[in-house]
Amino acid sequence: KNEVEQSPQNLTAQEGEFITINCSYSVGISALHWLQQHPGGGIVSLFMLSSGKKKHGRLIATINIQEKHSSLHITASHPRDSAVYICAVPIYNTDKLIFGTGTRLQVFP
Amino acid sequence: EAQVTQNPRYLITVTGKKLTVTCSQNMNHEYMSWYRQDPGLGLRQIYYSMNVEVTDKGDVPEGYKVSRKEKRNFPLILESPSPNQTSLYFCASSSGQRGDEQFFGPGTRLTVL
Repeated sequence: KNEVEQSPQNLTAQEGEFITINCSYSVGISALHWLQQHPGGGIVSLFMLSSGKKKHGRLIATINIQEKHSSLHITASHPRDSAVYICAVPIYNTDKLIFGTGTRLQVFP
Repeated sequence: EAQVTQNPRYLITVTGKKLTVTCSQNMNHEYMSWYRQDPGLGLRQIYYSMNVEVTDKGDVPEGYKVSRKEKRNFPLILESPSPNQTSLYFCASSSGQRGDEQFFGPGTRLTVL
């Protein structure tokens, strides 16, 4: 069993739809990262959160430490949101990250 | 501009020909790491470094070497590349504070024939 699992693996949406990507983990963590990988390959950090909720523009990330679950939401999705979204957790009290295998999102006009 | 740079971005080589992929960061970060990304397997850690002269193995270190002689640089060395090392490689750095944001380089796509 993977220590970090994401769902769904693939997701297609029409422009404007509300998107939810889920991440569940089995290890103890100090924080959880959401990353975005563009079609060209580059990876950028979207959020790092250890509790509650964070919002940046149309992106919202939530985490429930007790349930070991996090969600990434995209409101009013747009074709430029098409990317692979990856969640990652550090092994507790270390900098070592364990990655989910990613969710490939395609948003069509 | 705060960034992590990698070179080369693309490389095609042949089995057994030693190569080095450079990684440099300008953020004075203590922690640096190398990952490889393969379809269906996601990102896996190769080696990491907590500070100068401190390196340690990640999950898939076989066939790779690293060094950390200066804080800003963390080169990845393939002494004798093999086709199973064909992959997309990322270098990343962070401040070293537990769970801090990691900054990723642009990636190096390596093909070993």
